[in-house]
Amino acid sequence: QVQLVQSGAEVKKPGASVKVSCKASGYTFTSYYMHWVRQAPGQGLEWMGIINPSGGSTSYAQKFQGRVTMTRDTSTSTVYMELSSLRSEDTAVYYCASSGYYYGHFQHWGQGTLVTVSS
Amino acid sequence: QSVLTQPPSVSGAPGQRVTISCTGSSSNIGAGYDVHWYQQLPGTAPKLLIYGNSNRPSGVPDRFSGSKSGTSASLAITGLQAEDEADYYCQSYDSSLSGSRVFGTGTKVTVL
Repeated sequence: QVQLVQSGAEVKKPGASVKVSCKASGYTFTSYYMHWVRQAPGQGLEWMGIINPSGGSTSYAQKFQGRVTMTRDTSTSTVYMELSSLRSEDTAVYYCASSGYYYGHFQHWGQGTLVTVSS
Repeated sequence: QSVLTQPPSVSGAPGQRVTISCTGSSSNIGAGYDVHWYQQLPGTAPKLLIYGNSNRPSGVPDRFSGSKSGTSASLAITGLQAEDEADYYCQSYDSSLSGSRVFGTGTKVTVL
């Protein structure tokens, strides 16, 4: 069965960077796009961007342009999301989610990774 | 800033029918982009509930149904059950936001 397993919780200081991983299994890694979605405490869902694991191309939400980088490692079926210049407002649970086509729905979700930004 | 608007909360007694609206605009739902719905139980990751406006993934009870018309979409839950108490989000694509996928503001369903 499809599984997306994310790395563990992180605590970072303002101004630092964080890199969250998402390891996929149960399907052909390069056949599904991967998105990153975040959810601040008590808030709704916010889309951050998409990566095509096949060629590595990316598209980011305007809000995160210049601060987010999504990469993948096909040898380990893992995608990464790095967010830099962290501020307290970036405290959130970060999810990876797969879609079968570029404009498609988020079919499978990781368990989430809590990133806390605090001095 | 969500561009899809949902009511903050809806409630109903067990067995009743509730509906959740998702209102967008001409750059997302009204432009013909599909609407998808997700259920998020407390403390867990969202789960796909409805895709492509009205399709249920395998394993989702037929008590859940989706529809779309014009610049809006709706999720209906019939025969409400205690385990349906959760947050629900609609999602679509918005052509005015540089390739952005957009979520609704979210609706908390309470079973009375």
